[in-house]
Amino acid sequence: DQQVKQNSPSLSVQEGRISILNCDYTNSMFDYFLWYKKYPAEGPTFLISISSIKDKNEDGRFTVFLNKSAKHLSLHIVPSQPGDSAVYFCAGGGTGGATNKLIFGTGTLLAVQP
Amino acid sequence: GAVVSQHPSWVICKSGTSVKIECRSLDFQATTMFWYRQFPKQSLMLMATSNEGSKATYEQGVEKDKFLINHASLTLSTLTVTSAHPEDSSFYICSCRAQSYEQYFGPGTRLTVT
Repeated sequence: DQQVKQNSPSLSVQEGRISILNCDYTNSMFDYFLWYKKYPAEGPTFLISISSIKDKNEDGRFTVFLNKSAKHLSLHIVPSQPGDSAVYFCAGGGTGGATNKLIFGTGTLLAVQP
Repeated sequence: GAVVSQHPSWVICKSGTSVKIECRSLDFQATTMFWYRQFPKQSLMLMATSNEGSKATYEQGVEKDKFLINHASLTLSTLTVTSAHPEDSSFYICSCRAQSYEQYFGPGTRLTVT
């Protein structure tokens, strides 16, 4: 059972434009969500998180939106830069019990074209 | 802040030998550490969760006698791959969590078993 899904395996965006990365989940017990950026042969880098009680969190060029009723979240990057090209993973987690660990999506490869 | 290191960054070993990978949180105390494995072009697969001073909790399908985890202090966890075989060749990544729910990842260790 894939509890966290990233249905777009790849996305290509022009430099300066907005990148929108989407993520859907099925587990309503998630208390928080995180986005990570990953380059090949490196560990993921934490970008931004959002608690399930919020619907938006912003940090610089990165904004995460959460729609609990739709079980959907998205990461907006604006303006996109070539250095943003990487694989982006969303992950859901809980604060206790069986969900006290991160469940990762399969990732979306973002390519920002100069 | 939130820097996690792993050592070694890559290792080649012969089949049947054991390999130890270290994970350290450099500037914070990690109450919980996680070990992941990533196969090429796939998402991160959680292997086990460990809390300082406690036995690790392994995910279904992960052999605890093969992948020995020790979390001796709030800044150090080790993963030992015992009697390694070529199918154990993979990218192993640790992550650390302090009091908040955010996890910070190490740079990963590439293990190749010949």
